[in-house]
Amino acid sequence: QQPVQSPQAVILREGEDAVINCSSSKALYSVHWYRQKHGEAPVFLMILLKGGEQKGHDKISASFNEKKQQSSLYLTASQLSYSGTYFCGTEPAGGTSYGKLTFGQGTILTVHP
Amino acid sequence: EADIYQTPRYLVIGTGKKITLECSQTMGHDKMYWYQQDPGMELHLIHYSYGVNSTEKGDLSSESTVSRIRTEHFPLTLESARPSHTSQYLCATGLAGTYEQYFGPGTRLTVT
Repeated sequence: QQPVQSPQAVILREGEDAVINCSSSKALYSVHWYRQKHGEAPVFLMILLKGGEQKGHDKISASFNEKKQQSSLYLTASQLSYSGTYFCGTEPAGGTSYGKLTFGQGTILTVHP
Repeated sequence: EADIYQTPRYLVIGTGKKITLECSQTMGHDKMYWYQQDPGMELHLIHYSYGVNSTEKGDLSSESTVSRIRTEHFPLTLESARPSHTSQYLCATGLAGTYEQYFGPGTRLTVT
């Protein structure tokens, strides 16, 4: 079943923060985050594993709440380069590193100067 | 930097034609994937492979077929194209035992 992302769209000014959520109705093994700029291929940001710690990538970090089956992506002090569509991809509990992902509908992030 | 090549990048073809979308990689990755993505929409996994002679269907039902005869090559074939097949097709790879997927530039298919 497809994970649900919220919000659907975010508009920021440079330097502002944003949070993107990804929720699943199923128990999860992993949550993967990708960013796709317009007309380009998706690019891997990070993965959160069940039982794993919060991850960080420059000023972008993420957490995974196993009780709620929800992951949140935190973008701090946003830059123009952060603009794009953010997708979470989930693998259900019992999964492996095979990467058979189900993606959410995406969150469009726009950063203005 | 991943080296994944998809050809053609753009294809406009008539209904009923047979088409093959090519995907090749130079990293020696065991895992390869095909995704379908409509403009502004999410990615849907249609096929994946864990290695040579291993192929599985993804969650999205697709009339396409794939083959994995060589590690570096994972072509997708549509025997009879229809307008409903119009979409972008993205190929991705992954190294066994790791999680990151590397995406190719995609093929934009339009069936008239």
